[in-house]
This record gives sequence, C-alpha cells and structure tokens, in this order.
Amino acid sequence: AQSVTQPDIHITVSEGASLELRCNYSYGATPYLFWYVQSPGQGLQLLLKYFSGDTLVQGIKGFEAEFKRSQSSFNLRKPSVHWSDAAEYFCAVGAARVSGGSNYKLTFGKGTLLTVNP
Amino acid sequence: NAGVMQNPRHLVRRRGQEARLRCSPMKGHSHVYWYRQLPEEGLKFMVYLQKENIIDESGMPKERFSAEFPKEGPSILRIQQVVRGDSAAYFCASSPPRGPIEQYFGPGTRLTVT
Repeated sequence: AQSVTQPDIHITVSEGASLELRCNYSYGATPYLFWYVQSPGQGLQLLLKYFSGDTLVQGIKGFEAEFKRSQSSFNLRKPSVHWSDAAEYFCAVGAARVSGGSNYKLTFGKGTLLTVNP
Repeated sequence: NAGVMQNPRHLVRRRGQEARLRCSPMKGHSHVYWYRQLPEEGLKFMVYLQKENIIDESGMPKERFSAEFPKEGPSILRIQQVVRGDSAAYFCASSPPRGPIEQYFGPGTRLTVT
C-alpha cells in the first residue's frame, strides 16, 4: 500500500524568503504525485502534478516540485513567498487500479501548515 | 465551466440522525471520489464511483455509510445514525473518464454532530 510522509507539520517563513516543503512517498511502482493547497475552510486546489518525463515540474502561483526517485521524494519549492501563500499544503500519491483504466485513488500526507510573516 | 459543487456546505445533525451529502461533478466528468478529513489529519479516501457503479469502497466504514452515483443527479454520501466521531469535513472530487488525470475537488461539506 502506498503512503506519504510530510515531516514538517508547521513551517514559518518571512515574506520574500524561499520555501521548500518536504514530501516522501512509499509506492511499489512509478507513482503519480501531486501537491494541493488548502486555504482555511476551503477545498483543495491542485498546484502541480508529476506523471512521467521531466522530473522538475512547474505549477501555478510560481511553485515547482522535483521528483527524485532515488530519495522517494517530491519536494515543493518556491523562490519567493508571498503573504497570500499562507495555507496548508498536501502532498499526495495516486495509484492506478489493477483492473485497468487510469483513474485512481489518492493517498495524502497529513499536511504542512505554512505561516508567512510580514 | 462550474467546478465541483457540494451541498450543503455546513450540516449540523444530532446523534442518531441521518446525514446526506451531495456532490455534483464538473461538466463532462463521470468519476466521483469521496474523501474525509478529520481534525489534524490529511484526507482519507472513502469511495470511488462511476455512474451507477461503485468501483472501490475500500475506505468506507463497514456500517452506517453508503454512497451512490445515479444515472441522473448528484452523487450522494449517506451516513445513517450519525455519531460524534463522524464530525469531519467531507470532500468530493471528480475526474474525466480518460487519463491519467488529476482530481478536482469541491469546497467540502463540514458535518458537525451534536
């Protein structure tokens, strides 16, 4: 069974500083990897995804993530954080169904809460 | 193009009552997923449905919980005889029929059991 670990429960950065949120996954095959962001009381918005190909993926809002198979990691980065980035961030891994089709269920990490200081 | 819609956004039920949560997928999407988010936990998969079929319900509690996605109308997550431990945010996601593709999430229904 797949699993996702987000080691940092809460991170605080200053506005304008760089950001890296860690994500480690466990899965027996090539994973489908995602980062979602959740603002308080809201649903989840997809930031970026990795399915195959280039291991550095670009997402919305200036975020990027790098897939490192050797480290089973998919860390999220942003060079300069804005106050509006304060939210909770979830890493997720998706598994294809054995019986065919390409749809799958997502396994989420417990999330990292990002606080941005002015 | 409207996103995934869920209603109600907030639902309060007394212990022993029934809760019905509705989810309308994005236009053109035929796959629906339900997830539950408990305080200080990530989202946990509950069930995956296609029109008129339950594909994977491995995350559903064995009792009191059921889900459907009829040919017409929204998907329904039904919780019978609610208990305080059912208090959580319930999220629906949808995806189109071909992929691999990402899931698009609704705003969630926050269920409070008093």
